[in-house]
Amino acid sequence: GAVVSQHPSRVICKSGTSVKIECRSLDFQATTMFWYRQFPKQSLMLMATSNEGSKATYEQGVEKDKFLINHASLTLSTLTVTSAHPEDSSFYICSARHGTGDFNYGYTFGSGTRLTVV
Amino acid sequence: GQQLNQSPQSMFIQEGEDVSMNCTSSSIFNTWLWYKQDPGEGPVLLIALYKAGELTSNGRLTAQFGITRKDSFLNISASIPSDVGIYFCAGQREYGGSQGNLIFGKGTKLSVKP
Repeated sequence: GAVVSQHPSRVICKSGTSVKIECRSLDFQATTMFWYRQFPKQSLMLMATSNEGSKATYEQGVEKDKFLINHASLTLSTLTVTSAHPEDSSFYICSARHGTGDFNYGYTFGSGTRLTVV
Repeated sequence: GQQLNQSPQSMFIQEGEDVSMNCTSSSIFNTWLWYKQDPGEGPVLLIALYKAGELTSNGRLTAQFGITRKDSFLNISASIPSDVGIYFCAGQREYGGSQGNLIFGKGTKLSVKP
């Protein structure tokens, strides 16, 4: 159980266009999802926390107008990179928190999206 | 953002060898998680630790939640070629709210000895 599907796995877009990445929890409801960015040979850096039905919480230094997050249902969060530029090229990964209580929860990650802006 | 201190950064393994890596923090954590990430994929959970002093195994993998709550280690026994990849530790300071978000180590890259 606890499967997270992320789509697309790869996308190449032209500079100035917008790209939407979807993150779906397939067999559980996720009130909270997370979006990470990972540069080559580096760790995962949290960009924002996506809460169903409310505004996302962005980490310091992450532009909320550039990285739009919509968590419209308990199984879907989307990240839209607006007016993408080459420096936005990166590996984006979502995760979803599942379970309840202090000792019965976990975080499952999607398989990531490789964004290349040309 | 804050990161955990994970070491070693990289290591070469020979099939059959035991492997050990660890993470430390200056802050107390309530949860420690260990993930493995293959190239072009998202991290996959290996072991989750919820209590200080807890020692948990998953096949050839063993991880412990340090008694001070500021560290954790992961051991891989009798390594095999498919163990290569990047291993991340992740910690959570509290169970909910913003402090409940995962904080990641920088990763330990396991490669096969040439």
